Amino acid sequence: GAGVSQTPSNKVTEKGKYVELRCDPISGHTALYWYRQSLGQGPEFLIYFQGTGAADDSGLPNDRFFAVRPEGSVSTLKIQRTERGDSAVYLCASSKDENTEAFFGQGTRLTVV
Amino acid sequence: GDSVTQMEGPVTLSEEAFLTINCTYTATGYPSLFWYVQYPGEGLQLLLKATKADDKGSNKGFEATYRKETTSFHLEKGSVQVSDSAVYFCALSHTGRRALTFGSGTRLQVQP
Repeated sequence: GAGVSQTPSNKVTEKGKYVELRCDPISGHTALYWYRQSLGQGPEFLIYFQGTGAADDSGLPNDRFFAVRPEGSVSTLKIQRTERGDSAVYLCASSKDENTEAFFGQGTRLTVV
Repeated sequence: GDSVTQMEGPVTLSEEAFLTINCTYTATGYPSLFWYVQYPGEGLQLLLKATKADDKGSNKGFEATYRKETTSFHLEKGSVQVSDSAVYFCALSHTGRRALTFGSGTRLQVQP
């Protein structure tokens, strides 16, 4: 596709369940970012990939959160034992390289009930 | 750590009014500064940026000047349109760390 694609667009899950959120970056973009945006707040950085490796995961809030990018393209954000406080919009962005503009997807709205 | 503070919204203006959205930052060194915009139903888009002190970023009639002495990057537009209604985010990043630090966003509503 032409832009960053995130699926699903909405996800409702029960407290304690496991969820996976997918990000398809723009073709050829080597850098990929995950952010979390809570209601009324700006996006908060979670993790940054350069190629297949996580170059900076300092924003992951705890060990329930994990992300992978095994082939350097699609990325999956995984959240274990979800809590109501995990409810937020999860944004993915990609850029051609680490020095160029990042393009954002429309996000996945996660609701933990 | 780094932080970005924006004026609270919503900001409500009539069409053709002058717009200012204040943004100040706290950071070590010389970060790059950005304004992102989120139109209803769309993803975040880069509006403009400045990478060093006294640089002016501009796009679509919007401008912002990197003021290191006041640690500010205020967004301005001389004449807003209804189509400018959106949420605007100020952000910064450092060379060597690509993560963006965002402000909390300011909603702009332009009435015809």
